[in-house]
Amino acid sequence: DVKVTQSSRYLVKRTGEKVFLECVQDMDHENMFWYRQDPGLGLRLIYFSYDVKMKEKGDIPEGYSVSREKKERFSLILESASTNQTSMYLCASRTEASPAKNIQYFGAGTRLSVL
Amino acid sequence: AQTVTQSQPEMSVQEAETVTLSCTYDTSESDYYLFWYKQPPSRQMILVIRQEAYKQQNATENRFSVNFQKAAKSFSLKISDSQLGDAAMYFCAYRKSGGYQKVTFGTGTKLQVIP
Repeated sequence: DVKVTQSSRYLVKRTGEKVFLECVQDMDHENMFWYRQDPGLGLRLIYFSYDVKMKEKGDIPEGYSVSREKKERFSLILESASTNQTSMYLCASRTEASPAKNIQYFGAGTRLSVL
Repeated sequence: AQTVTQSQPEMSVQEAETVTLSCTYDTSESDYYLFWYKQPPSRQMILVIRQEAYKQQNATENRFSVNFQKAAKSFSLKISDSQLGDAAMYFCAYRKSGGYQKVTFGTGTKLQVIP
């Protein structure tokens, strides 16, 4: 089974702190994604990466950056956390190889609170 | 831009009964994929069912089936013989065909199953 692991289930940070959210997948997937999930807004794509050192902005990249130095790891960085970044963050991975190429595998999520 | 609309924020169903969750989408593409994902409380999001737009036959996975109406851009999920374990958030999602395409999610429907 594909496993997508997010380093923390819960995080509490202070306004202005630099925050790192880590995600690791064990299936050699090319694509990795970061979403935030808010009630009534569904999942919104922050950034995605389709290869090592490659990144693409999603729908709401402002206030975030990402890093993908190794294929299995995709990090989301909040350079200076703000209260409006309090949310659930979901990482996902996907392969381009058939027949699984249309299935996204999700991590358990990190619930971030910025105080 | 593609949009996915789930007009039912919450629904409930009696155990063993059937329920249908609605989803509409907007796209100018002719080749694409549609998905239903399930997010149980405090658990990872998983794929329930997927549909290729070029296939006229509706997808089925055990108790889960879809009603795909391409011309109407409608993609509803039917859950038969509802079980307590079906209680979850359900997200409808869309992806354009082709490599390295992002997925657009709806806002979700929270399904409650009443014993």
